[in-house]
Amino acid sequence: GEDVEQSLFLSVREGDSSVINCTYTDSSSTYLYWYKQEPGAGLQLLTYIFSNMDMKQDQRLTVLLNKKDKHLSLRIADTQTGDSAIYFCAAILSSGGYNKLIFGAGTRLAVHP
Amino acid sequence: DTAVSQTPKYLVTQMGNDKSIKCEQNLGHDTMYWYKQDSKKFLKIMFSYNNKELIINETVPNRFSPKSPDKAHLNLHINSLELGDSAVYFCASSQTGVGEQYFGPGTRLTVT
Repeated sequence: GEDVEQSLFLSVREGDSSVINCTYTDSSSTYLYWYKQEPGAGLQLLTYIFSNMDMKQDQRLTVLLNKKDKHLSLRIADTQTGDSAIYFCAAILSSGGYNKLIFGAGTRLAVHP
Repeated sequence: DTAVSQTPKYLVTQMGNDKSIKCEQNLGHDTMYWYKQDSKKFLKIMFSYNNKELIINETVPNRFSPKSPDKAHLNLHINSLELGDSAVYFCASSQTGVGEQYFGPGTRLTVT
């Protein structure tokens, strides 16, 4: 089955770039996702990348995919205090003709002045 | 104009009780999900329904019974609650065949 792993903590200074890394095991995952969870809230879809792409940029967010190494990263430029949250990487696993998301454990991003 | 809503937001109950959590989505999606997030924030899928039909049933105790009266609603009933059931339960929905899932705000269940 699919296994998704992330580092658990990242601390950055306001204004710097943040890079959150993720690895997955199932090379047949067609889509990979990044979700953000703020304290006491649900998960918010940030961005996703299709497996035939190696980069996707969306304003301050850049997603890089290295399919050979099964490595996904999320770069947040000019990190702000409002970016403090838990970031979840997720990969699609097809099961019985349907898709399910397998989540990593989440990376807690702390932004300090 | 809430996309995925859940009630209640908080639920505190005693061991052995039976409780239900409700979920509704107004996105017109065909597929709905229940996830459990434990105290370490680990998120795991429990069930998925597509057009009222159960399609994913992970290894979840029989005390948990989902019910989908129509494709916009997916409820979760839990019998004989145990301390280990304390968690945040998230409902989500997506369009069939598409992975983007939209999550509700969560229901924090505390079993004492």
